[in-house]
Amino acid sequence: DAGVTQSPTHLIKTRGQQVTLRCSPISGHKSVSWYQQVLGQGPQFIFQYYEKEERGRGNFPDRFSARQFPNYSSELNVNALLLGDSALYLCASSLAPQGAMTGNTIYFGEGSWLTVV
Amino acid sequence: RKEVEQDPGPFNVPEGATVAFNCTYSNSASQSFFWYRQDCRKEPKLLMSVYSSGNEDGRFTAQLNRASQYISLLIRDSKLSDSATYLCVVNMRNNAGNMLTFGGGTRLMVKP
Repeated sequence: DAGVTQSPTHLIKTRGQQVTLRCSPISGHKSVSWYQQVLGQGPQFIFQYYEKEERGRGNFPDRFSARQFPNYSSELNVNALLLGDSALYLCASSLAPQGAMTGNTIYFGEGSWLTVV
Repeated sequence: RKEVEQDPGPFNVPEGATVAFNCTYSNSASQSFFWYRQDCRKEPKLLMSVYSSGNEDGRFTAQLNRASQYISLLIRDSKLSDSATYLCVVNMRNNAGNMLTFGGGTRLMVKP
């Protein structure tokens, strides 16, 4: 079975542009979360979706938005890109929402490396 | 104060050594705890969950002290392949819902 898949793997954007990152969860997983990892730091929570509804939002500006589709795949959109948005964007999937039950392991995709110049 | 704090390291140890990492968390309502491993330029992968009674998986032992809000990871008989960044992760519930909160990671380098 395929793991969590993300696309694109690498991309370069210019300040002020917009970007869309995509994620397909593991088959059967209904929860998708997005994280931003800046070089040298741990991942920071951005959003969580479960059954197409937002279940959590981290401390990120409104330039960041996301959605989950009926097939449980997800997109993360970032508008008006800033240099500081350069990071690895990680998607994670799980059967249930994070923290919902013991044993609800969360699996990460390989991430999308975004460079803003 | 960061919600989850770790010593960034690096910890440079010889093969065969025992090394311990510590982590503290600020939210006493935290519900579950994990150690993730992240190799350079790769995604984080679950190493082990951390239970109140402490748990062991081969060479790895995790401990949780809820009273002190402290988590530890002990690696015995270090291997070269253990070289990686170890992320302490706490599942917290707040107004934003349940969310995993990561520490900044502790870098381990095991040398021959």
